[in-house]
Amino acid sequence: QSTLKESGPAVVKPTQTLTLTCSFSGFSLTTSGVGVGWIRQPPGKAPEWLATIYWNDDERYSPSLRSRVTITKDTFKNQVVLTMTNMEPVDTATYYCARVLGLVGSIRLDSWGQGTPVTVSS
Amino acid sequence: EIVLTQSPATLSLSPGESATLSCRASQGLMNYLAWYQQKPGQAPRLVIYAASTRAPGIPVRFSGSGSGTDFTLTIRSVEPEDFAVYYCKHHANGVLSFGGGTKVEIK
Repeated sequence: QSTLKESGPAVVKPTQTLTLTCSFSGFSLTTSGVGVGWIRQPPGKAPEWLATIYWNDDERYSPSLRSRVTITKDTFKNQVVLTMTNMEPVDTATYYCARVLGLVGSIRLDSWGQGTPVTVSS
Repeated sequence: EIVLTQSPATLSLSPGESATLSCRASQGLMNYLAWYQQKPGQAPRLVIYAASTRAPGIPVRFSGSGSGTDFTLTIRSVEPEDFAVYYCKHHANGVLSFGGGTKVEIK
């Protein structure tokens, strides 16, 4: 059974950098076709995908956030880290990490963490 | 950038009725579409991927169809636990995007 859990600060100030860690178990980021992605969801709104990192070190980013977001992995620790620079109040949301499976037509987010709420406020 | 438009925004149903949710894309997607269910206070849950493949553990009353620009999620005989918000999601070259959601509520 795959499990993921997000951790990081609950509150960040405007202009600060947010660093979130996704700790996972039950699967490996060395397995072909496996990735871990980050998704955020502002209160009452639809989810927004941020980035994915794959087993082969391939990184994909949301075009609208590419300049602010970086995703990295530590295969030995079973962790994926998301950093987002220059945080603004509009970045207030629940941030989720999820396992990404599949190639080409069948890419799916099949296991999700519980999410961690982040508020951007001075 | 592909835009996904879901309709209706809200669907009011009684248990036992069928639900038909629509997801329309601004460009052709082949079958690169998935559906997720989200209940209040919970993370989204994968329901359908590759347009019509049920995720493990999803009841057979859920079915997905469509290709190109028009996709449908059908829930045959809605159960009380099915009332939730449903999102469609597309991917292209590893870039993912979500629709705005359809809320299925109890009538």
